[in-house]
Amino acid sequence: QKEVEQDPGPLSVPEGAIVSLNCTYSNSAFQYFMWYRQYSRKGPELLMYTYSSGNKEDGRFTAQVDKSSKYISLFIRDSQPSDSATYLCAMTSGGYQKVTFGIGTKLQVIP
Amino acid sequence: EAGVTQFPSHSVIEKGQTVTLRCDPISGHDNLYWYRRVMGKEIKFLLHFVKESKQDESGMPNNRFLAERTGGTYSTLKVQPAELEDSGVYFCASSPLEAGGIEQYFGPGTRLTVT
Repeated sequence: QKEVEQDPGPLSVPEGAIVSLNCTYSNSAFQYFMWYRQYSRKGPELLMYTYSSGNKEDGRFTAQVDKSSKYISLFIRDSQPSDSATYLCAMTSGGYQKVTFGIGTKLQVIP
Repeated sequence: EAGVTQFPSHSVIEKGQTVTLRCDPISGHDNLYWYRRVMGKEIKFLLHFVKESKQDESGMPNNRFLAERTGGTYSTLKVQPAELEDSGVYFCASSPLEAGGIEQYFGPGTRLTVT
């Protein structure tokens, strides 16, 4: 079983839709949960991270962590064509511990 | 401020040859990480430098891979001899000392093709 499970998609939505991206994980030691965005032929770019359970909002993006269910989500409101990219969840127990990535979900926002 | 840079962007080599990948982290970033993404798989951790010291090299596949970070600045990852299964995209990332693995800045990657 993989430590982090993420549906690779692709996920296609119309412009303006609310997008929900999700990951589940099995390692209860994970404390920090990150979301990266990766455009084609580019490196991943950190969008936001959350420590432990709870919500965090940054503009049109909201990250949620439910440690009791080992489930994390990223919501994108008012999605734009420029949001079309692969979204990777990543997590670590913190400090100098290694980061474990999900496979990434490919999102396409249709104008 | 310049981001993380990697060279070359793409390398095509034959099985048995040697390839050296280079990463220049963001200036002042003491943490430097190497990752690899094989087609259809997740990005996988290879190793982590803090300054010039290897903090964690548990992800290195085997002894054909050698990473160095002389002087705590740029890093090189050498694959010798290369095998077909080494093909993939190799990413480098860096972060400030206090950020650890949480706020990493990634380079664009080196796409390695072994034929």
